[in-house]
Amino acid sequence: NAGVTQTPKFQVLKTGQSMTLQCAQDMNHNSMYWYRQDPGMGLRLIYYSASEGTTDKGEVPNGYNVSRLNKREFSLRLESAAPSQTSVYFCASSHAGTGGAKTQYFGPGTRLLVL
Amino acid sequence: SQQGEEDPQALSIQEGENATMNCSYKTSINNLQWYRQNSGRGLVHLILIRSNEREKHSGRLRVTLDTSKKSSSLLITASRAADTASYFCATDGLSGSARQLTFGSGTQLTVLP
Repeated sequence: NAGVTQTPKFQVLKTGQSMTLQCAQDMNHNSMYWYRQDPGMGLRLIYYSASEGTTDKGEVPNGYNVSRLNKREFSLRLESAAPSQTSVYFCASSHAGTGGAKTQYFGPGTRLLVL
Repeated sequence: SQQGEEDPQALSIQEGENATMNCSYKTSINNLQWYRQNSGRGLVHLILIRSNEREKHSGRLRVTLDTSKKSSSLLITASRAADTASYFCATDGLSGSARQLTFGSGTQLTVLP
């Protein structure tokens, strides 16, 4: 099993350009998440998808859109990149269910630099 | 704002010593999780402790939870150079965002050989 995979690993954009970060998981998880991590900080939730066909905003959704393409894939789109979106982006997935948050499994990250 | 905050921000110890990291959070939770992140890598889950548990062990890891003080600690015993990493606590909420995790800013642990 590959777990959670992300592409690309690294990307440089100019201000105003757009791009889509891809994420896929092969663990049959219902829930998927997109986070950003800035230097010296923990992860902040951008968007999540509790199950196929649903998406919800997290703590920092402005400037981003997401698509839950199917159960395996969850993409993050930057329509018009800004320097403030320079960050490392992590995708994660987990089982769904009651009783609180489940263990999340993370991808290796995408390092994005916006000039 | 961050739900969990780790203390200290950075910790440097000698191999073989124990490392203790603390986490404080603000609202009631279903569970608290600890994750590890090696430099340049994604996060890896270490341990989950439920709100009705007080202590949990996994190998060299010991986690405690005090819901009255809204705090948790992670103890790594007999540390190794390979334990060098950032450690994050993450909490969920009791309602609404119950399936979301909110991460603290992490403790950077350096284990010197």
